[in-house]
Amino acid sequence: AQSVTQPDIHITVSEGASLELRCNYSYGATPYLFWYVQSPGQGLQLLLKYFSGDTLVQGIKGFEAEFKRSQSSFNLRKPSVHWSDAAEYFCAVGGRTGNQFYFGTGTSLTVIP
Amino acid sequence: DTGVSQDPRHKITKRGQNVTFRCDPISEHNRLYWYRQTLGQGPEFLTYFQNEAQLEKSRLLSDRFSAERPKGSFSTLEIQRTEQGDSAMYLCASSAQPGQDSTNGYTFGSGTRLTVV
Repeated sequence: AQSVTQPDIHITVSEGASLELRCNYSYGATPYLFWYVQSPGQGLQLLLKYFSGDTLVQGIKGFEAEFKRSQSSFNLRKPSVHWSDAAEYFCAVGGRTGNQFYFGTGTSLTVIP
Repeated sequence: DTGVSQDPRHKITKRGQNVTFRCDPISEHNRLYWYRQTLGQGPEFLTYFQNEAQLEKSRLLSDRFSAERPKGSFSTLEIQRTEQGDSAMYLCASSAQPGQDSTNGYTFGSGTRLTVV
């Protein structure tokens, strides 16, 4: 079955601290992986995506993610968090056809000054 | 192009009424998707179109739900005889058709929040 697990429902970090959000997936074919961010009452914005090649991918807003096939993981990282990064973060997996993506339940990030 | 537009942003309706939402995708995107997001959950796939053809529907899409994309541009999602369980954010997204060796992330609209009272 296809699924995404984000084990951390809520994370609080201090501004300037580093961040890592965890994502584990189950997918029966070659996975295409995505991270999205959602601000309250808004739609989702694509942060980064992984298809193939280099397992460390760079995204917008200083985010990066690392694909580890052996661990079925695609964790999101940022070296120094800004207050504006407070939002809900969703990991998603899909196939090459792009017909349907499977989303995790999200991780809510709070940034304290 | 200003991205994916959804209308209305908010809709409050009484149980049993019909509602219709509209989505205008990015003009050069031939794929359009509908997702539903309930509180504390990630988006769940409902259906998608390639041009005007509806190619896949989720089991979440009961008989009370119908989606159309008559000219391959904008799409509508109608819910008949709404129930309180239909209360959710309805998200529309669009994408270009994937290439041979890649796929594309979606561009999401801001969603329509439906409240059934």
